[in-house]
Amino acid sequence: DAKTTQPPSMDCAEGRAANLPCNHSTISGNEYVYWYRQIHSQGPQYIIHGLKNNETNEMASLIITEDRKSSTLILPHATLRDTAVYYCIVRPFQGAQKLVFGQGTRLTINP
Amino acid sequence: NAGVTQTPKFRVLKTGQSMTLLCAQDMNHEYMYWYRQDPGMGLRLIHYSVGEGTTAKGEVPDGYNVSRLKKQNFLLGLESAAPSQTSVYFCASTPSGLGRTGELFFGEGSRLTVL
Repeated sequence: DAKTTQPPSMDCAEGRAANLPCNHSTISGNEYVYWYRQIHSQGPQYIIHGLKNNETNEMASLIITEDRKSSTLILPHATLRDTAVYYCIVRPFQGAQKLVFGQGTRLTINP
Repeated sequence: NAGVTQTPKFRVLKTGQSMTLLCAQDMNHEYMYWYRQDPGMGLRLIHYSVGEGTTAKGEVPDGYNVSRLKKQNFLLGLESAAPSQTSVYFCASTPSGLGRTGELFFGEGSRLTVL
């Protein structure tokens, strides 16, 4: 599985857009980009995933660069409840072996 | 719909004792995983299973054994607990087959302390 690189921490003001970057320069053609978040000590929660097109759902938007070597998760209007650790992982859509999480980005939303 | 259920949620062991963590899912998922998370760290994969009767090693398998005798259950065993195994353990599952999102479903975690 491709490795990902994320900044260890970020801050964002409440109500502003939070943009979380992820570098996955060794991603292969059959690998999707997935984002999860972990609030406090709970189990991680799925946010969104994509292959090469930008994706949006009720929680966030995912922007993947044209060369697919990096992506950005966007929380459009961050709230205090979005304070969490955000994980970017890449994995093949077929099969599910060895899903490896990195260190993630600790996002703090400030009032 | 219970999703992924882990038992027990809390446990304190003495060094050398053994125990088993149970993960049960009621979503008919093929793939199941055990992760551990140490304070301030990300999740590390211990073992995983791609179907009933199968298991495979993850990043940090030493000191743990697993079994998947039934599709809905994935057991994580510690034969001789060590203080280094003090951690929060998370189980996850995901379906195979067409139409899936690839989403991992996580349990609430099991907090294990080894004295």
